[in-house]
Amino acid sequence: RKEVEQDPGPFNVPEGATVAFNCTYSNSASQSFFWYRQDCRKEPKLLMSVYSSGNEDGRFTAQLNRASQYISLLIRDSKLSDSATYLCVVNNAGKSTFGDGTTLTVKP
Amino acid sequence: DAGVIQSPRHEVTEMGQEVTLRCKPISGHDYLFWYRQTMMRGLELLIYFNNNVPIDDSGMPEDRFSAKMPNASFSTLKIQPSEPRDSAVYFCASSSPNIGGFGELFFGEGSRLTVL
Repeated sequence: RKEVEQDPGPFNVPEGATVAFNCTYSNSASQSFFWYRQDCRKEPKLLMSVYSSGNEDGRFTAQLNRASQYISLLIRDSKLSDSATYLCVVNNAGKSTFGDGTTLTVKP
Repeated sequence: DAGVIQSPRHEVTEMGQEVTLRCKPISGHDYLFWYRQTMMRGLELLIYFNNNVPIDDSGMPEDRFSAKMPNASFSTLKIQPSEPRDSAVYFCASSSPNIGGFGELFFGEGSRLTVL
């Protein structure tokens, strides 16, 4: 079993849709959690950190459930520019493990 | 401010040749990571350094791979001899821990390696 598992996707949604991505992790000792975004043929970039209390950044909401070892990302009112691959990342003692990513395509 | 700088951006080589990839982390960052990305295996952590010391190299696929960090501003990843299955994008990233956890990873633009 992979240490970090994500919905494989792809997700194809119309502009304005709400889309949710899920991620589970196997190491209960994991300490920090993140969502990264990777555009085609580019490097990954941090989208947002994920906190136990949940956190929001504009149209993006991230949630962490430590008991279930589950992380989610919700995108509201999706834009064409949201089209990318979204990577779930789990950090344990400095070592960051990436999920395989979920590809989102937002269509007009 | 300069980000993480990697070179070369693209390399095409023949099987059996030595490949050296280079990375300059962001100044002041004390963690440096080497990742490899392929369609089949996603982003895999190969090795990471803290204050120039290798901490975890369990992701290095085999003895053909080696990495060094002779000082805080430079690291190399070497493959000798290279094989076609080494074809991938190799990313270098750096970070600096913040209070309460580990900070954002800043990635270079990657080195796209093709081994024929």
